[in-house]
Amino acid sequence: TQLLEQSPQFLSIQEGENLTVYCNSSSVFSSLQWYRQEPGEGPVLLVTVVTGGEVKKLKRLTFQFGDARKDSSLHITAAQPGDTGLYLCAGARLREYGNKLVFGAGTILRVKS
Amino acid sequence: GAGVSQTPSNKVTEKGKYVELRCDPISGHTALYWYRQSLGQGPEFLIYFQGTGAADDSGLPNDRFFAVRPEGSVSTLKIQRTERGDSAVYLCASSMGQGGNEQYFGPGTRLTVT
Repeated sequence: TQLLEQSPQFLSIQEGENLTVYCNSSSVFSSLQWYRQEPGEGPVLLVTVVTGGEVKKLKRLTFQFGDARKDSSLHITAAQPGDTGLYLCAGARLREYGNKLVFGAGTILRVKS
Repeated sequence: GAGVSQTPSNKVTEKGKYVELRCDPISGHTALYWYRQSLGQGPEFLIYFQGTGAADDSGLPNDRFFAVRPEGSVSTLKIQRTERGDSAVYLCASSMGQGGNEQYFGPGTRLTVT
């Protein structure tokens, strides 16, 4: 059973479309991070959210942490082929897990030109 | 500055052999993590070092897996008597220190056990 459930698992869209990826859990997290991973490379950190209800923007990417700190979303506006990759959410629970991150299974995004 | 580096990038070994995977963290990062990523999955935690000591090794799957970080910098993940099920990408990450959960990942070592 995955502690962090990501949806959808796979998304194929046309350039210029908008999309949202979800990361859900029944557990509360101290912080949540979003990573992007390309084939043959390690995950690259995009953002960390720590406060319930927090919204962070990174160019065309908007990240939101749920009020209860159990879920998060990543919204991409006007997707481009360069956004193609595996998007991973990862949660930290310092009291229970110490410093290790618990990852979701990821969302594979493909943006077609 | 230099990021996390891992060597080798690819390792093919026969079942039953011993392998060592190396991780060189970002300079000044006191915390180092090993994760394993199977195809179609997110990374799974293996072990975490704070300085030279293993602060949490709860993710190591069995006693064939062992990791060291003797001088608090470079770490080596060691796998004895490899099995085909050990095939995966082994990722290393580092962070500034305790409570600093912004972890920066290396490119990984792809291990294939034949």
